[in-house]
Amino acid sequence: QQPVQSPQAVILREGEDAVINCSSSKALYSVHWYRQKHGEAPVFLMILLKGGEQKGHEKISASFNEKKQQSSLYLTASQLSYSGTYFCGTPGGGGYQKVTFGTGTKLQVIP
Amino acid sequence: GAGVSQSPRYKVAKRGQDVALRCDPISGHVSLFWYQQALGQGPEFLTYFQNEAQLDKSGLPSDRFFAERPEGSVSTLKIQRTQQEDSAVYLCASSSRTAGLVNTEAFFGQGTRLTVV
Repeated sequence: QQPVQSPQAVILREGEDAVINCSSSKALYSVHWYRQKHGEAPVFLMILLKGGEQKGHEKISASFNEKKQQSSLYLTASQLSYSGTYFCGTPGGGGYQKVTFGTGTKLQVIP
Repeated sequence: GAGVSQSPRYKVAKRGQDVALRCDPISGHVSLFWYQQALGQGPEFLTYFQNEAQLDKSGLPSDRFFAERPEGSVSTLKIQRTQQEDSAVYLCASSSRTAGLVNTEAFFGQGTRLTVV
């Protein structure tokens, strides 16, 4: 089952904040977040693990609510470079875990 | 190379034609994934390799789709007798861990945009 993201699209002015939500109908063990610019490859943002551990490379924060089977990505003081489509991804359980990507949130930051 | 490389970047095929899409993962990466991305949608899993072993091909939409990674590095996704519904971007990703994407990032290539006419 594909995770559902909200909102589907958002337009921000530079410097504004945004929250992108990801909801799953299945239990979550971890949540991945990626950003994809038009015509480019998805780029890793972070992984949130059960127990609160986060692994990421960018100054973007996120939360992971295992009970609610949700994750939220927080973009603060947005920059033009934040524009793109954001995808959450949820691995399945067990040893090998293939990631099911969410419906996507298109973010546009304008000057 | 420094990243995942895919070729060709664009491919136009006539319906019924066979195509082969190539993926060069990051050197030394054990895990390799193929995804299909339709316009405006998120990537959808096709298949997974750990070295040369294809451990999961549950996402391949039909027996017209075939993937291989014979020496555990370069991978080829082949689509036989292409149909219009095969039109999409095909993404390849690699990661360094054997457990797939459990707790490590995947590096994606820029994809091959396949258009079947």
